[in-house]
Parts: sequence; structure tokens; C-alpha cells
Amino acid sequence: QVQLQESGPGLVKPSETLTLTCSVSGGSVGSDNYYWSWIRQPPGKGLEWIGYFYYSGNSNYNPSLKSRVTISVDTSKNQFSLKLSSVTAADTAVYYCARERRDGYKFDYWGQGTLVTVSS
Amino acid sequence: DIQMTQFPSSLSASVGDIVTITCRASQSISTYLNWYQQKPGKAPKLLVYAASSLQSGVPSRFSGSGSGTDFTLTISSLQPEDFATYYCQQSYSPPRTFGQGTKLEIK
Repeated sequence: QVQLQESGPGLVKPSETLTLTCSVSGGSVGSDNYYWSWIRQPPGKGLEWIGYFYYSGNSNYNPSLKSRVTISVDTSKNQFSLKLSSVTAADTAVYYCARERRDGYKFDYWGQGTLVTVSS
Repeated sequence: DIQMTQFPSSLSASVGDIVTITCRASQSISTYLNWYQQKPGKAPKLLVYAASSLQSGVPSRFSGSGSGTDFTLTISSLQPEDFATYYCQQSYSPPRTFGQGTKLEIK
């Protein structure tokens, strides 16, 4: 059974960099069959796709965040990470990691989500 | 970006009712359309992919249809555990985009 688990600080100061890690079990981040993705949800609002990393080295980011986002993969730890720089209060959200299948392009497994608050 | 519009934004229904949620894309997305269910404090759960394919383990009372720009999610015979928020999502092209959600409440 595939499981994803987010980890990282729950509080980040404005202008700093938010860093989250997603640990994957039951599957390999080195597989060519999936996009490893991050999605966020501000409190009480809808879902926003942040981007994905694909093992071949490709990545794709939401244009609205592209200048501030980096998603990377660590195959030795079977993890992938999100870095979002220069955060503001508008970046306060529950952050989810998710697996998107390349056959069907669907988010079939999600982490439980982690709330990150941006505040001084 | 492809914009996804869902309607209604909220809906009240009773156990046993048939419910339909609509999703419209700002351009044709063929059948690259997924539906998710989200309960409070939980991650979204995939219900339907490729517009009409039921994800493994999802009850058959859920069904999806549509292609191009107009799509529907139908729940036949609502059960108590179906009261949640539902999102459509296009997977036609990046950036992936979601509808704003439809909150299904108990009447």
C-alpha cells in the first residue's frame, strides 16, 4: 500500500523559505510512472496545484508560483521536497504531497496534509 | 491556464436523493477530468478519473460523464458518508487546476 507523509515546520516567518518533505513508502520516487506533486489549500478555500517533479529530471510549476518554487527528489531516502521562498501570509495553507500517475493523469495517493502558518 | 467552474457551490440534499454536480472547463479538455471528495480535515480522495472511470474501491453509486468542456458527477441514492466537498480537476495540461468545490450538506 502506497503511503505519503509530509513533514516540516508548522510556522515560518515572512520572507523566509518554507521547506517541506514528503516521505514515500510502498512505491519508488525513482519510478518513471509518476509525477511527484505538491498541492496546497488555504484555510477554508479550494485546492491549488503547486507543481511536480518527474524522475527524468523534468519539473513543472504553477506560473503563479514559479519564481519561488523548487521541487526536488532524493531517491536515496525515497523522499521529495518542496521549497517556497519569500513567503507571505498568503502562503499560509495546508500543504499536501500527492502522486500523479502518468497513465491517466490522476492524483491517486495523497499525504494527510500539513498546516504551514506564515507569521512573525 | 484552464479555468474550471463548478456549480452549484453548495447543495442541500437528503439521504437517498440523487445529486448531480456540474463542472465546466474554459476550453476543451477531452476527457481529462477527475473528481475528488474531501471531508473536513482530510486529504481529497479520488472518485472518478478520465471523466467516467470509477477509481478502485469507490462505490458504484458514484458516476461521472462528459467530454470537451462540460462534465457531471452524479451520486445516486445519497448515503450519510457522502456529505462532503467535491472538486473537479483538469489533467489536460499544466498547470493542473481545480474547480472551486461544491459543498454537499444534509437537508
